[in-house]
Amino acid sequence: NAGVTQTPKFQVLKTGQSMTLQCAQDMNHNSMYWYRQDPGMGLRLIYYSASEGTTDKGEVPNGYNVSRLNKREFSLRLESAAPSQTSVYFCASSGKIDPRGGEQYFGPGTRLTVT
Amino acid sequence: QQPVQSPQAVILREGEDAVINCSSSKALYSVHWYRQKHGEAPVFLMILLKGGEQKGHEKISASFNEKKQQSSLYLTASQLSYSGTYFCGTEPGAGRRALTFGSGTRLQVQP
Repeated sequence: NAGVTQTPKFQVLKTGQSMTLQCAQDMNHNSMYWYRQDPGMGLRLIYYSASEGTTDKGEVPNGYNVSRLNKREFSLRLESAAPSQTSVYFCASSGKIDPRGGEQYFGPGTRLTVT
Repeated sequence: QQPVQSPQAVILREGEDAVINCSSSKALYSVHWYRQKHGEAPVFLMILLKGGEQKGHEKISASFNEKKQQSSLYLTASQLSYSGTYFCGTEPGAGRRALTFGSGTRLQVQP
């Protein structure tokens, strides 16, 4: 059981470039989440998916798009990277059908730098 | 709206106790607690649900006061392994069904 996996672990982009962060979970969880964490800060929700086929905006969705490809995979795309998007990105999943009250399991994170 | 955590940082000696507080201005459905060590992902500690009882995990326990929208995390007889940043995450009673995290409490346990 790998849990939640994320690729890549590290990435450096130039302003204006695009990229997709990949996330997969093997726990048969229904809900998946993308967060960003800036230095010394808490986690801020970018997008989440309560079930396969649905996605919803979180606190900071601007500049990002997501795809819930299937039950296992949830990707995050930066169409035109900006220095303000330099951050550590965490993917998480939760097993409950109703996302309320479900403990979240986090992936190892992707450290993204935009120059 | 982001929950408020206090204190922002605390330094303990091994064996001492600590309390970390989390307060929200919204009615809450649940409060989650996570611990994150430097350079690692957050790890789930416990959930407190509306109408639920105080939960415990060995020497780490927590309470949830629904009326005040407050939760407290209690660490007793702290160990070196307790060092890290503790985050509370709150789920509102209505609206977006997702967590909003506080800015964290940095806990350092010294020998």
